[in-house]
Amino acid sequence: DTEVTQTPKHLVMGMTNKKSLKCEQHMGHRAMYWYKQKAKKPPELMFVYSYEKLSINESVPSRFSPECPNSSLLNLHLHALQPEDSALYLCASSRGDSSYEQYFGPGTRLTVT
Amino acid sequence: QKEVEQNSGPLSVPEGAIASLNCTYSDRGSQSFFWYRQYSGKSPELIMFIYSNGDKEDGRFTAQLNKASQYVSLLIRDSQPSDSATYLCAVNEDTGGFKTIFGAGTRLFVKA
Repeated sequence: DTEVTQTPKHLVMGMTNKKSLKCEQHMGHRAMYWYKQKAKKPPELMFVYSYEKLSINESVPSRFSPECPNSSLLNLHLHALQPEDSALYLCASSRGDSSYEQYFGPGTRLTVT
Repeated sequence: QKEVEQNSGPLSVPEGAIASLNCTYSDRGSQSFFWYRQYSGKSPELIMFIYSNGDKEDGRFTAQLNKASQYVSLLIRDSQPSDSATYLCAVNEDTGGFKTIFGAGTRLFVKA
């Protein structure tokens, strides 16, 4: 089973709203990732958690706040976003040892109005 | 600035032909190399990974890695219209391995 799930599938939010994106995997993977993908562009790494600890933060603005409550769950809290933050937000996971193959969830399509 | 370069295409091949997709990378210390397929409006799907120099085959797909030339390729044999998608080359840095840099992707069209 290589399934990563993400909710919601679509999200429309105003610039003053607070919302959260959720990601879950039950593959026993110990590394989880958030990516942002704009149309016709490759995914851009935002955050990496390894063994529930934040391992990489790619200088992402503080209006994006990640959280890893346990080894299966990853959240991305959103607050005071800008219209240019509209994108597909992808979650991925990998085993977390010396194997780095990442498995992606279906993504959340975010529109900021 | 570490980079992963791909020809954006589109690459058009007839059904049944071999599609050859190429990728170069700038970080000589890179250790892990991946090919993802992404259909329009969908998320990337891992189709091949390769860690050692040489060829790796899986069904109709063959990944080729040449670390001396900093070059990785993907061959798709007996191409099918369902293979039409964007193919993303991805490379992991040597330190820790979690940081992945994606190429811009090559759009492949397989004509029936």
